Amino acid sequence: QSVLTQPPSVSAAPGQKVTISCSGSGSNIGSHYVSWYQQLPGTAPKLLIYEDNKRPSGIPDRFSGSKSGSSATLGITGLQTGDEADYYCGTWDNSLSAGGMFGTGTKVTVL
Amino acid sequence: EVQLLESGGGLVQPGGSLRLSCVASGFTFSTYAMSWVRQAPGKGLEWVSVITGSGGTTYYADSVKGRFTITRDNSKNTLYLQMNSLRGDDTAVYYCAKDRLPPIRYNFDSWGQGTLVTVSS
Repeated sequence: QSVLTQPPSVSAAPGQKVTISCSGSGSNIGSHYVSWYQQLPGTAPKLLIYEDNKRPSGIPDRFSGSKSGSSATLGITGLQTGDEADYYCGTWDNSLSAGGMFGTGTKVTVL
Repeated sequence: EVQLLESGGGLVQPGGSLRLSCVASGFTFSTYAMSWVRQAPGKGLEWVSVITGSGGTTYYADSVKGRFTITRDNSKNTLYLQMNSLRGDDTAVYYCAKDRLPPIRYNFDSWGQGTLVTVSS
């Protein structure tokens, strides 16, 4: 199965904005919705964004998602210390071995 | 409130077998696809397998195909993962995760707390 590539880390000061990219291919991001997950240290992942840009109830609008072609982006505005976590994109892949896949993960650090 | 409770993890020797369970509550279990996702120590998330609500369709990651089997018992609201021929690189925390909508959307809106599987001699 293919790989979804994310930057290993991004950082910014409180109140600032960060963006996290997720690069795939036509058989995954290019053909299927993307979701994004936040994983705080020592906890299970939490759904932040589904179907490219929709937020589940309870997720603040500081979190946003977008997609263009075979790449997706998560944006976090008004950065808070509580946002310090690992973030993963995820999607389905319909190549020869159909299945799910996650991105390589990005550590967000609040300076 | 949706709850997912995994169990069955532990220490197993290479080549051994283990069966994980995930008991679900707070939703109509048979409606939703369920997945297993694992995370090796200090590593990222890896999708393992998915099964549709009826149990009629399953998919597996290449890394576990032929060794792991996902099943479900909708009468017991329980998801299973039978793991055979275990290897060191199967060592991970295993999460069960509920899909947001049927059939398979790959949007996991609920996760269990995870169960640790350690493969070592």
